[in-house]
Amino acid sequence: ELKVEQNPLFLSMQEGKNYTIYCNYSTTSDRLYWYRQDPGKSLESLFVLLSNGAVKQEGRLMASLDTKARLSTLHITAAVHDLSATYFCAVVSGGSNYKLTFGKGTLLTVNP
Amino acid sequence: GAVVSQHPSWVICKSGTSVKIECRSLDFQATTMFWYRQFPKQSLMLMATSNEGSKATYEQGVEKDKFLINHASLTLSTLTVTSAHPEDSSFYICSARDQAGVGTQYFGPGTRLLVL
Repeated sequence: ELKVEQNPLFLSMQEGKNYTIYCNYSTTSDRLYWYRQDPGKSLESLFVLLSNGAVKQEGRLMASLDTKARLSTLHITAAVHDLSATYFCAVVSGGSNYKLTFGKGTLLTVNP
Repeated sequence: GAVVSQHPSWVICKSGTSVKIECRSLDFQATTMFWYRQFPKQSLMLMATSNEGSKATYEQGVEKDKFLINHASLTLSTLTVTSAHPEDSSFYICSARDQAGVGTQYFGPGTRLLVL
């Protein structure tokens, strides 16, 4: 059974600081997603990572994937208040239906 | 980009009634759609995988007779919560898998169900 662990689960940081969220998964997978969720809203897709060593960046967020270590990171650079949200990583299970298994999420609060 | 809609966005119902939620892929075809449930401050839990033209596959612990799923076309899946009870109150989110490209799942805006 595929397990996905995120840490930290809660992250309070000051504006302007950098931090990294980690996502470990237990079995081989060929793709990993990062999503953002604002309170009361559904998921917003941030990144899809498809191969070992993949790195993608959008604004102050950068995601990377190490399939050998079964680890993905979401790095936040010079945080701003607008980044406050819950961030989920999700890993595709094997099989033909491409089921997603989600981590528990990281609640990020960026303080002025 | 690909858009998935859900209807209704909010529903309040009395205990014992049934509620139908629709999930539509607006600009792409989706042979596979997924239904998730999210309780407050928790992650998304997959309830079932819906395949067009065939029976849904339910995750362990999800009652198939309570959560009826129909995927009658390539752009529409429905979830019916039968005989709803207060413990069924939750945020229900569907996603649709785009067959093209890398098969990304696109998420609907969610339906918040409150059972009184």
